Amino acid sequence: DQQVKQNSPSLSVQEGRISILNCDYTNSMFDYFLWYKKYPAEGPTFLISISSIKDKNEDGRFTVFLNKSAKHLSLHIVPSQPGDSAVYFCAVPVIQGAQKLVFGQGTRLTINP
Amino acid sequence: EPEVTQTPSHQVTQMGQEVILRCVPISNHLYFYWYRQILGQKVEFLVSFYNNEISEKSEIFDDQFSVERPDGSNFTLKIRSTKLEDSAMYFCASSRWDQPQHFGDGTRLSIL
Repeated sequence: DQQVKQNSPSLSVQEGRISILNCDYTNSMFDYFLWYKKYPAEGPTFLISISSIKDKNEDGRFTVFLNKSAKHLSLHIVPSQPGDSAVYFCAVPVIQGAQKLVFGQGTRLTINP
Repeated sequence: EPEVTQTPSHQVTQMGQEVILRCVPISNHLYFYWYRQILGQKVEFLVSFYNNEISEKSEIFDDQFSVERPDGSNFTLKIRSTKLEDSAMYFCASSRWDQPQHFGDGTRLSIL
């Protein structure tokens, strides 16, 4: 099941710089996308989402961009902070009677001081 | 902020034994889910539950698995006869229909 792919297993960024995490999807019918953040020994925490009617959604330091023609979304974090070090998952709700989330493999982001 | 709580945080069980993982969803949520993450792999959907019945289940969720909402607050996942490959982190989640799912911190299940 490769409906959602995150091709970078890890990313290392200097504190204060921009972090860009990428996600690709296969089904052009997907119309809503989420990013979750996960610290060790904790569950995924919802971070930000975007609907397919938009191409950008911003919440403080976090911005998600959606390129529907490329079936690609990205999460930008600026400026990056040490507390942003975590695993980031993109996810898509697949509605077949009830919402189930299909997750990407995750990208481990490390912010270096 | 209300949270999804899961117990126990770590469960060690002998292969072939039954195990019950417990979850208390957020109180005004109506949709409940179980996911699992095998070490080094993706978070995978297992089952969704609404109005006291399963609304969808994955191919992983075979006859060895069951879910129950025994009272107004708890939501449980039972594995009848555990196998080595059931070792994973199990996450419970809950949501309102139109809101993102909220996850608990998970139960690490280790099958010996």
